[in-house]
Amino acid sequence: EPEVTQTPSHQVTQMGQEVILRCVPISNHLYFYWYRQILGQKVEFLVSFYNNEISEKSEIFDDQFSVERPDGSNFTLKIRSTKLEDSAMYFCASRLQGRSPLHFGNGTRLTVT
Amino acid sequence: DQQVKQNSPSLSVQEGRISILNCDYTNSMFDYFLWYKKYPAEGPTFLISISSIKDKNEDGRFTVFLNKSAKHLSLHIVPSQPGDSAVYFCAATDYHYSGGSNYKLTFGKGTLLTVNP
Repeated sequence: EPEVTQTPSHQVTQMGQEVILRCVPISNHLYFYWYRQILGQKVEFLVSFYNNEISEKSEIFDDQFSVERPDGSNFTLKIRSTKLEDSAMYFCASRLQGRSPLHFGNGTRLTVT
Repeated sequence: DQQVKQNSPSLSVQEGRISILNCDYTNSMFDYFLWYKKYPAEGPTFLISISSIKDKNEDGRFTVFLNKSAKHLSLHIVPSQPGDSAVYFCAATDYHYSGGSNYKLTFGKGTLLTVNP
C-alpha cells in the first residue's frame, strides 16, 4: 500500500539554526499538510497546500516557517531560525480529494537544543 | 481552545470485550468526523469516518456513532484484541463550510487504549 515517507526520522539542531523536514506524499494525492505534536499535547495543524500554494495556515505557522513542493514529489517544511519551543514531532500528510482521509507519515522528531 | 475533547486519557479492557472511546466537540460547524489510531513511533492511521448526515458507520469490528444534538461521538471496537492497543484520536472538520475538498482536521488529545490478554 502506498505510504507517506518522511526524512529524517530524528533531527537535532541548535537554536537559531535552519532545518528542512522532508516528505514524499502519496503520488496521486492532491492535498498536502504539515501537523506537529509537542510531547504530551494534541496533534496541531500547521499548514495545508494545494495546487502549488498554501491553502490555509495556523497561527503557529509564522514567518519563520515555509513550505515548498519543488519537484512534484517532495514536500518540505523549512524552519528558518529554530527556537526551543519548536521541539516536537512533525507529521506530513496527504490526501486525494473529496472526503478522502489524510494519510500521515511516521513523523520527524525535531529536537532543538 | 479545545474544540475536540477526549476526556479519558486512558482506557483498559479485556481481550474479547467491547472498547468504547468517547469524543465531544464544541464547534457546530463540524460535519465530518474521523478516528485515527497511533502506535508509538508511527504516524496516525485512519480507521473510520462519519458524516453528519449519518448517525452510525460500521467497518468490521469498528463502529462509530454520532449524536449531533449532544455533539458527541463514540468509537466501539468489538471484540477488542491486544493488537488494538494504541492511542486513538478523534478528529473533526467543517467539510462543507470550508469549501468541500480543501479541509483540515482538528484533533482531540487522544485516548490510550490497552487491551489485556
